[in-house]
Amino acid sequence: DVKVTQSSRYLVKRTGEKVFLECVQDMDHENMFWYRQDPGLGLRLIYFSYDVKMKEKGDIPEGYSVSREKKERFSLILESASTNQTSMYLCASRPGQASYEQYFGPGTRLTVT
Amino acid sequence: GEDVEQSLFLSVREGDSSVINCTYTDSSSTYLYWYKQEPGAGLQLLTYIFSNMDMKQDQRLTVLLNKKDKHLSLRIADTQTGDSAIYFCAEYTYSSASKIIFGSGTRLSIRP
Repeated sequence: DVKVTQSSRYLVKRTGEKVFLECVQDMDHENMFWYRQDPGLGLRLIYFSYDVKMKEKGDIPEGYSVSREKKERFSLILESASTNQTSMYLCASRPGQASYEQYFGPGTRLTVT
Repeated sequence: GEDVEQSLFLSVREGDSSVINCTYTDSSSTYLYWYKQEPGAGLQLLTYIFSNMDMKQDQRLTVLLNKKDKHLSLRIADTQTGDSAIYFCAEYTYSSASKIIFGSGTRLSIRP
């Protein structure tokens, strides 16, 4: 069974804080993704990575950065959290670019006050 | 560009069939998906269909694909309270750098 885990289910941070969201997958998947989910907007892709040390901007990368030092771990970083980054953050992984099945973590609900 | 659209809400009576609809714009889509998100959880792949198929059935779920109209639907027979969730339509296409594009999600609520 594929498992994608995220470091926290709920997180509360203050405006201006640096925030790290961690995602780990245990199936040796090459591709990993970070999305944010907001009501009525569905899932929007923030960043993705096709391999270790590789990263690509998604549709809404502003205010975020990522790190992929090891294949199993993909971190999302909010350099200076703002209230408009309050959202549900979902991590996903996929075996490879040609693979159609994508697996999601349980999500981290981040509140920035 | 690619876009996936679906209505935001659907309410059905327990025991009835639910039909959730979705339209997409990219004619080069290779796979189309339905994901289910239960409250407080991540997305779970419910079913998918290859673009060269018209229909796929899996127990209570029926997926219909109309490529000409770029329309995808999910029918849930004998809807139960456990089917309450948000259902996301999504497409996978090589033209979008192999990204999966998601719709906004349809929240299905069940009336007793």
